[in-house]
Amino acid sequence: AQSVSQHNHHVILSEAASLELGCNYSYGGTVNLFWYVQYPGQHLQLLLKYFSGDPLVKGIKGFEAEFIKSKFSFNLRKPSVQWSDTAEYFCAVVRSSSNTGKLIFGQGTTLQVKP
Amino acid sequence: EAQVTQNPRYLITVTGKKLTVTCSQNMNHEYMSWYRQDPGLGLRQIYYSMNVEVTDKGDVPEGYKVSRKEKRNFPLILESPSPNQTSLYFCASSTAGGSYNEQFFGPGTRLTVL
Repeated sequence: AQSVSQHNHHVILSEAASLELGCNYSYGGTVNLFWYVQYPGQHLQLLLKYFSGDPLVKGIKGFEAEFIKSKFSFNLRKPSVQWSDTAEYFCAVVRSSSNTGKLIFGQGTTLQVKP
Repeated sequence: EAQVTQNPRYLITVTGKKLTVTCSQNMNHEYMSWYRQDPGLGLRQIYYSMNVEVTDKGDVPEGYKVSRKEKRNFPLILESPSPNQTSLYFCASSTAGGSYNEQFFGPGTRLTVL
């Protein structure tokens, strides 16, 4: 069965520090990949997505992610975090051939940015 | 404004008392889905609907029912809630099913079953 693993459950950084959140998935076929963010008290919002092409994708708010097929990874990065980036981050995967669009989510990573 | 709305946002109830959480979208989306979010488990799909009158089970459907009589609404029904259904629930919608359509999420409903 498909699964998604986010290794960092809770990350604490100071403002201006660089961020990298890990995401690995288990599925042998072609997948589409997403990162969602959930700010405190708010709903999930799409940060970025990867379907095909350039494995380095850029999203909103200065975030980017790199798809490394050989490692089954889709790590999220930001060169310099801000206090407003404090949120929970979810990696999600869906089989490219899926007609149901069911997203498989990782456990989530809580990011706390100290001012 | 394009959005997915859920009601209520917060609900405390007791075991066995039937409840319904409503979900509505104003984007004319065909696909709608319900997820529950639990600490350490991420979001897991409960039910989904590809279109009106077309629904199917997700990964954790036990104890839940859904209906899709109109395109815009997708209520989640707990006929006999139990404490293990205490969770944060999200409704989502997208243009259509499939893997290439962004899903838009509602604000969430925090349910506590005593």
